Amino acid sequence: DTGVSQDPRHKITKRGQNVTFRCDPISEHNRLYWYRQTLGQGPEFLTYFQNEAQLEKSRLLSDRFSAERPKGSFSTLEIQRTEQGDSAMYLCASSSGTALDTDTQYFGPGTRLTVL
Amino acid sequence: AQKITQTQPGMFVQEKEAVTLDCTYDTSDQSYGLFWYKQPSSGEMIFLIYQGSYDEQNATEGRYSLNFQKARKSANLVISASQLGDSAMYFCAMREGFIDMRFGAGTRLTVKP
Repeated sequence: DTGVSQDPRHKITKRGQNVTFRCDPISEHNRLYWYRQTLGQGPEFLTYFQNEAQLEKSRLLSDRFSAERPKGSFSTLEIQRTEQGDSAMYLCASSSGTALDTDTQYFGPGTRLTVL
Repeated sequence: AQKITQTQPGMFVQEKEAVTLDCTYDTSDQSYGLFWYKQPSSGEMIFLIYQGSYDEQNATEGRYSLNFQKARKSANLVISASQLGDSAMYFCAMREGFIDMRFGAGTRLTVKP
């Protein structure tokens, strides 16, 4: 399977705990994106990497959120001191970055976070 | 301001019939891209079809076609010969520039046997 993978698929945590999610993009895709999706809404952009460089961050990404892509391959998204409002589906996507017009983003299955 | 508007929270269609899912967008850019994704209950967003703002022909991908009306800023998805497996959430999205992609609130399609 050469699609985008995410781990874990589900995470239940208590308020105040830290959580970390992992995303493995499609091989050789140099662009990687994180989105958050709450119930009944479309995905909302959080942040974007071009290779290992984090080039854009949404205002939705508070100081409690940090994302890394240390070697330009997989990425991690960490949420510190989780709050109940962080409960959502966290989606990762990747794109090749070579086609400037289409550059279709392909999504992973998501990590569903529940904060109790 | 809402960039992408999907006015149909839910739609029903009889199996084997065609259905149109509406999408309107708002942009002042001349260059942009429009996308449709399908999200089954499993959660994964599946890319369906793309339309570039400069494309003169409506995009088609198998049973999916995009009815692009640039002056009206609409990009409706047409699914022909609906199948039970088409039941899912459908999201319209627009990308201005190279990165920033905005999604609509989605339309839940139910295909009835």
